[in-house]
Amino acid sequence: ETGVTQTPRHLVMGMTNKKSLKCEQHLGHNAMYWYKQSAKKPLELMFVYNFKEQTENNSVPSRFSPECPNSSHLFLHLHTLQPEDSALYLCASSQVAGGNTDTQYFGPGTRLTVL
Amino acid sequence: AQKITQTQPGMFVQEKEAVTLDCTYDTSDPSYGLFWYKQPSSGEMIFLIYQGSYDQQNATEGRYSLNFQKARKSANLVISASQLGDSAMYFCAMRDQYGNKLVFGAGTILRVKS
Repeated sequence: ETGVTQTPRHLVMGMTNKKSLKCEQHLGHNAMYWYKQSAKKPLELMFVYNFKEQTENNSVPSRFSPECPNSSHLFLHLHTLQPEDSALYLCASSQVAGGNTDTQYFGPGTRLTVL
Repeated sequence: AQKITQTQPGMFVQEKEAVTLDCTYDTSDPSYGLFWYKQPSSGEMIFLIYQGSYDQQNATEGRYSLNFQKARKSANLVISASQLGDSAMYFCAMRDQYGNKLVFGAGTILRVKS
């Protein structure tokens, strides 16, 4: 499945840097998601956007700032991160958020290292 | 709150044999969905199969089938005729009827031996 793309695939940044992760879906979906996958921890939902509106913020620190300009694009702006923020960040999309039959399709992820 | 438990951190299987990956779940909702995803070392989460709580039959997708036992709250993934390319991490996940969250288990690493 190549319907969800993420750039960059790898990112190394210092704690004072500002960077952005980009996600684009080509599936005609209306919902997009950010997940964080840390070593030895289950996948954690960060944010949900449904029809460009944020519907879920899972108590994510403000140093992570999402942006969804349209249903096809999702960004995660990063600033003053901590080393413990190093993880694989996965983007997903689905037809519409909500409902137990809605299937999420994931991108390849951005592997982030914070020095 | 929903919870997914995968008790097998790692599994080995001989090529061409079948393997079962365990998943149990906990929810008080009468309607829910269960999913299995595959994550190769490249990192991408690949959707494999879906089972609805009201589905009468077990879901199947090619070599993947889901052994759904509702009373036991288990949703095990069965991979038939294992291939070397099946080596990956496998995650079981659940969504309830109201939310838009997928709750994931800790995953099982599967290694297929030639």
